[in-house]
Amino acid sequence: AQSVTQPDIHITVSEGASLELRCNYSYGATPYLFWYVQSPGQGLQLLLKYFSGDTLVQGIKGFEAEFKRSQSSFNLRKPSVHWSDAAEYFCAVGASNFGNEKLTFGTGTRLTIIP
Amino acid sequence: KAGVTQTPRYLIKTRGQQVTLSCSPISGHRSVSWYQQTPGQGLQFLFEYFSETQRNKGNFPGRFSGRQFSNSRSEMNVSTLELGDSALYLCASIPDRRGEAFFGQGTRLTVV
Repeated sequence: AQSVTQPDIHITVSEGASLELRCNYSYGATPYLFWYVQSPGQGLQLLLKYFSGDTLVQGIKGFEAEFKRSQSSFNLRKPSVHWSDAAEYFCAVGASNFGNEKLTFGTGTRLTIIP
Repeated sequence: KAGVTQTPRYLIKTRGQQVTLSCSPISGHRSVSWYQQTPGQGLQFLFEYFSETQRNKGNFPGRFSGRQFSNSRSEMNVSTLELGDSALYLCASIPDRRGEAFFGQGTRLTVV
């Protein structure tokens, strides 16, 4: 069965600093990988996804992620964070048909931004 | 393009009662998935419906059930509510192709 590990429960960074959120997955086949963001009391918004092809994926709001098969990782990065990036971030792996019907999520990383 | 609509947004129920939550997917999407989010267990997959048929199921007790109608709207039902069922229930609208699962804002269920 697939699984996702987000080792950092909480990260605090200063506004304007760079950010990297870690994600490791376990899945027998080629994984479908996603990063979602959730603001308090809200649903999930997709930041970016990886299905195949170029291992460096660009997303919305200036985020990018790199798929590294050898390390089973899909880390999320942003060169300069903004106060509005404060939220909870979830990495997910998709199984089954199109890779998006049944997602296994990590436990999330809460991001706090210091002015 | 309208998004995913979940109703109601908030619910308070008493232990032992049952509850029904509704999800209207994006027009044209035939698949709907449901997730439970709690502070202790995180986001967990409940089940997925495609064209009125349950196609995938997570590891939840039989008290959790769902169905999908011919217009792709889906409902999930929880019977004999327990305190531990208090959670944010999220619905995702799935296109018939690779791509993004679009999530609704969720229904916050509190069991007292």
